[in-house]
Amino acid sequence: NAGVTQTPKFRVLKTGQSMTLLCAQDMNHEYMYWYRQDPGMGLRLIHYSVGEGTTAKGEVPDGYNVSRLKKQNFLLGLESAAPSQTSVYFCASSPQTSGSYEQYFGPGTRLTVT
Amino acid sequence: GQSLEQPSEVTAVEGAIVQINCTYQTSGFYGLSWYQQHDGGAPTFLSYNALDGLEETGRFSSFLSRSDSYGYLLLQELQMKDSASYFCAVDTGRRALTFGSGTRLQVQP
Repeated sequence: NAGVTQTPKFRVLKTGQSMTLLCAQDMNHEYMYWYRQDPGMGLRLIHYSVGEGTTAKGEVPDGYNVSRLKKQNFLLGLESAAPSQTSVYFCASSPQTSGSYEQYFGPGTRLTVT
Repeated sequence: GQSLEQPSEVTAVEGAIVQINCTYQTSGFYGLSWYQQHDGGAPTFLSYNALDGLEETGRFSSFLSRSDSYGYLLLQELQMKDSASYFCAVDTGRRALTFGSGTRLQVQP
């Protein structure tokens, strides 16, 4: 099993450009999440999904959109990138099973917006 | 609002015991998680407490008091590889996590 994978690993954007970050998991998990982590800080939840076709806003959703068309994939879109969106983006997944609380994280995408 | 407080840095020596405290104030609470993150890496799961009390997993233990909105992570027999950042995180529902700012643990020889 590959676990949780993220594409791309690194990206540099110019202000106003758009891009999509892809997260894929092969563990058949129902729940998926997008977080951002700024230097020296904890992770902040952007959006999450509790199943195929569903999405919900997290703590810092402004400037981002998401889609979960397939259970294994969770896409994060930036329509018009801003320097404030320079960050490391982590995707995570979690089973819905009662008693299973672990979130499995991908390796992260390092995004710089100039 | 949501807030979690934990110390920013802790230093300890190999073989010692260290406790990292976390106090929280959130609009919803289902449980308290702890994650470890090495520099440049992804967070990895350590523990989850849904109920009051102590949970032990090897060298690591985690405690929760829901009435005090307080928890801690206890690391025993510290090793150099334990040098990392440790985050407490509150599950506010559907496993959606609100993280603290992290505690950087430095283990010295």
